[in-house]
Amino acid sequence: NAGVTQTPKFQVLKTGQSMTLQCAQDMNHNSMYWYRQDPGMGLRLIYYSASEGTTDKGEVPNGYNVSRLNKREFSLRLESAAPSQTSVYFCASSEAQEGWQPQHFGDGTRLSIL
Amino acid sequence: RKEVEQDPGPFNVPEGATVAFNCTYSNSASQSFFWYRQDCRKEPKLLMSVYSSGNEDGRFTAQLNRASQYISLLIRDSKLSDSATYLCVGPRGGYNKLIFGAGTRLAVHP
Repeated sequence: NAGVTQTPKFQVLKTGQSMTLQCAQDMNHNSMYWYRQDPGMGLRLIYYSASEGTTDKGEVPNGYNVSRLNKREFSLRLESAAPSQTSVYFCASSEAQEGWQPQHFGDGTRLSIL
Repeated sequence: RKEVEQDPGPFNVPEGATVAFNCTYSNSASQSFFWYRQDCRKEPKLLMSVYSSGNEDGRFTAQLNRASQYISLLIRDSKLSDSATYLCVGPRGGYNKLIFGAGTRLAVHP
């Protein structure tokens, strides 16, 4: 039972490089999310997708883009990586379309930008 | 006031102790809360949901106090394996979105 799968698990980039973080869930969930977590801080929402075909900005969307490819997959793209984007990135999914349901997380991508 | 606020700790307790964490929230209309557990450098994992006044699961009890706008997590008979960071989570704005507290760190020692 895979749940939420993120790839890659680790990545080192140079400033200005681009990359895409992949996320897939097999729980038939409607909503998917991308967070970043920095030391001493809570999870901060980057983008989310309430359902297939929709995406919305979270609290820290600058420098990122997302694609909800289908119901299972939600990718996060860094177009021109900056050292400030060094962080741990978590993808999550939730059954909720309305109301509030718990979110289930992948095991994260640790990204370092030099 | 932050939407969700927690005491960062750390709480250092001996095995077998009872420990309680509080979390305050600012949106008086909030009705759905969650406690997550996060081990060092791992993903957050759902511990308990709190939809009404409270919830109990084995050694863990979560309570919601609407009048004072806080939720609590009580851990009885602490185990070494309970050492982790506990995240308080509440609803954020529109549907589907949650806001995560920065976490309370618990260290259980022999």
